[in-house]
Amino acid sequence: GEDVEQSLFLSVREGDSSVINCTYTDSSSTYLYWYKQEPGAGLQLLTYIFSNMDMKQDQRLTVLLNKKDKHLSLRIADTQTGDSAIYFCAERDTDKLIFGTGTRLQVFP
Amino acid sequence: EPEVTQTPSHQVTQMGQEVILRCVPISNHLYFYWYRQILGQKVEFLVSFYNNEISEKSEIFDDQFSVERPDGSNFTLKIRSTKLEDSAMYFCASRDNTEAFFGQGTRLTVV
Repeated sequence: GEDVEQSLFLSVREGDSSVINCTYTDSSSTYLYWYKQEPGAGLQLLTYIFSNMDMKQDQRLTVLLNKKDKHLSLRIADTQTGDSAIYFCAERDTDKLIFGTGTRLQVFP
Repeated sequence: EPEVTQTPSHQVTQMGQEVILRCVPISNHLYFYWYRQILGQKVEFLVSFYNNEISEKSEIFDDQFSVERPDGSNFTLKIRSTKLEDSAMYFCASRDNTEAFFGQGTRLTVV
């Protein structure tokens, strides 16, 4: 079945860039998403990319998609302490989203 | 900005009781979903709903679960005879053609 994998933890210094990686298995995914979850909160849609695109930039966020390798990444420029959260990638399989395990990003001063 | 709203934010129920989790999706969205997240685990798909019927459901969504859109705005998840392992955060989501937005979740605790 479909599977989405992420590394569990990432720790960065404030002001540096963060890169969160994700791999997926379903080559027929149409859209891929990044969500942010702060402690005790819901899932906040950060950005998404259509599968025929390689890159999408949205302010501090850059999404890169390598469809051949089924690899998705989220780069956060100038990472701030407020960016500390769990980041989930998700692929859209037909109608539903399949989520990764989530990457806990910790930003230290 | 339009948002998906869920009530209650926290529900405590005794094992064996029925619970109804409520959601108000974004008004012009046509696709609705329920997901759950057991503490510390992945967000898991439960069910999708389109055109007043279930379009897809996961193995988790057995006869204990049901969904309903009783009027033009609410979308509910009913869990009959709750079990301890039903304790989780339940998220409602709605989607237009591209973007899927999630509610803040209902934390269900079965005791």
